[in-house]
Amino acid sequence: LAKTTQPISMDSYEGQEVNITCSHNNIATNDYITWYQQFPSQGPRFIIQGYKTKVTNEVASLFIPADRKSSTLSLPRVSLSDTAVYYCLVGDTLAMNYGGSQGNLIFGKGTKLSVKP
Amino acid sequence: DVKVTQSSRYLVKRTGEKVFLECVQDMDHENMFWYRQDPGLGLRLIYFSYDVKMKEKGDIPEGYSVSREKKERFSLILESASTSQTSMYLCASSLSHTIYFGEGSWLTVV
Repeated sequence: LAKTTQPISMDSYEGQEVNITCSHNNIATNDYITWYQQFPSQGPRFIIQGYKTKVTNEVASLFIPADRKSSTLSLPRVSLSDTAVYYCLVGDTLAMNYGGSQGNLIFGKGTKLSVKP
Repeated sequence: DVKVTQSSRYLVKRTGEKVFLECVQDMDHENMFWYRQDPGLGLRLIYFSYDVKMKEKGDIPEGYSVSREKKERFSLILESASTSQTSMYLCASSLSHTIYFGEGSWLTVV
């Protein structure tokens, strides 16, 4: 099973770019990498997902090197409202269809990002 | 947008009570999940379901059961609530490779 490791916390200032890296040395061939944002007392919110190389959407970019043993979430020009906990998830929900394996979804412990003015 | 709705945001129950947590998703997703989230322990999978009436145990199923009578609805049942089950409970659903979460249900057992 892929085990994920993230920094416990990070500090940044408004307007800066923030990069959060997740290590997942044992990632399986069919695993995808997904990042979530969570505010206090709310459920995790989907940010971005990728399999390899680089993915970009309107809020973030995800960089995945060729060996896929890590991934980096990049948040451009953060604001105070980006203060939250960020989780990486490695796994493949398709493997769970029709009673398949349930053990391949691994959440990281989360990175608490604090953005200061 | 994907919508996963948990019917109760905050509940307070007494020890020994039977507790139902309801979850509905509106995207015709095959898979549905129940997690609990505790400080320092992260998200832990209780049960998941890959089809109507089908269920699989997750990492911490003890003290819980689930029901999925319709595709869009997945219920978590605490047969006899205990104080150790005080937690935030998260329902989720997935199609293809992405899991979407509900807003969470805060359960306090006194």
